Formats: sequence, structure tokens, C-alpha cells
Amino acid sequence: AQKITQTQPGMFVQEKEAVTLDCTYDTSDPSYGLFWYKQPSSGEMIFLIYQGSYDQQNATEGRYSLNFQKARKSANLVISASQLGDSAMYFCAMRAAGSYQLTFGKGTKLSVIP
Amino acid sequence: ETGVTQTPRHLVMGMTNKKSLKCEQHLGHNAMYWYKQSAKKPLELMFVYNFKEQTENNSVPSRFSPECPNSSHLFLHLHTLQPEDSALYLCASSQDEGFSGNTIYFGEGSWLTVV
Repeated sequence: AQKITQTQPGMFVQEKEAVTLDCTYDTSDPSYGLFWYKQPSSGEMIFLIYQGSYDQQNATEGRYSLNFQKARKSANLVISASQLGDSAMYFCAMRAAGSYQLTFGKGTKLSVIP
Repeated sequence: ETGVTQTPRHLVMGMTNKKSLKCEQHLGHNAMYWYKQSAKKPLELMFVYNFKEQTENNSVPSRFSPECPNSSHLFLHLHTLQPEDSALYLCASSQDEGFSGNTIYFGEGSWLTVV
């Protein structure tokens, strides 16, 4: 079984500052993928970034980067230069190879302050 | 414009009503999913279809009935629901279910209220 833990129910960040959202995971599968999604209040779940368990380098997508520490089973999301539009719920999720199941954490609500 | 579209975006229904949620994906994917998101609970996988065949039913009550006529369309038929079924229902699609790196793309969701 897989488990995702997001320990920060809510976070505040000043506009233009960087912020790190924490995610730890637990799995016995050797091959898996880690994902981050953003969910604005409208409800849509927007894919942000992906990291494979065998990837040697940390994933980056524009202002998003994933700080992947495999030995510690953590996959923190870093958002640089925060914008007001970044205010939303952020979910960490994982998926094992060969599985349909995408296991989500409980999410972190990020609020960007002007 | 999102690659996965859901209608209606908002639905209010009585416990004796029959309604349906519709999902269409424009991404050429072969797998489609229904997820349920309730307040204070993580997203829950309900159903998975791959090439129109149901490959997973996550112990979902029979009052939820999925239908997948082709790889681009997915329906969720609702009947005799309970107030606790009120939630955001998210449709999603992906290229293939077997590879952990295949990203699952979601629609905007259908907000369901059962009264």
C-alpha cells in the first residue's frame, strides 16, 4: 500500500518569495512516479510536475521544481517567485508502476500575500 | 481550454432523482477515471476504464453506475443518492495505466449536491 503525507495544512508566502511545500511518501514498490497537482477554488486539478523514482535529477517546470530525496522518501515542491495566482490547494500524489491508483495526500492550502 | 471537459459543472439533485455526469477527453488517451473528492478527505478513485473496459471498481456503491461507450467519453449515472454523496466528482484520463510516469490529467470537476 502507498501513503502520502502532507504535514502542512496551510501555508502563507509573500508575493515574489519562494515557498516549499512538503511531501513524504511510503511505498514498497521499487518503481513509482510522484506528481504535484494544483487545485484552485474552481475545482480543476491541474498537473504541475512529475518525478520518476529512477530519475537522477530533480524535475523542473518553469517556476516549479521538485526536491526529490529518495532515501528520505520526500518529494517537496518548490515554487519560486510566488504570484497571487498561485493561491490554491496543492496535492502531492504517487503512482506505482502497473497500477491505476493515484494516491493523493490531504493537500496544503497555499495563500500568497501581496 | 482543458483537454478533459466535464458537464454539468454544478448539479443539485433530490435523493429520488436520476441524473448523469458526462466527461469527454480530447487528448487521445485510452484510460479514463472517475474520482470523488469529499470535504476533509483525500481524493478517492472510483472507477477506471481502459480501452472502454472497466478495469477497476473501488468498492463503489451500486447507486453509482459508470458507462464508457468509447475511449473518449465516460459517464457516471446517478440514482437514489444520499446526502453524503455530495462531493466534487473529477473525471481524468491518461495514455496508459501501466507506466507510473503517465500523467493523469483531470477535468474541472462536477460539483454535486444531493438534497
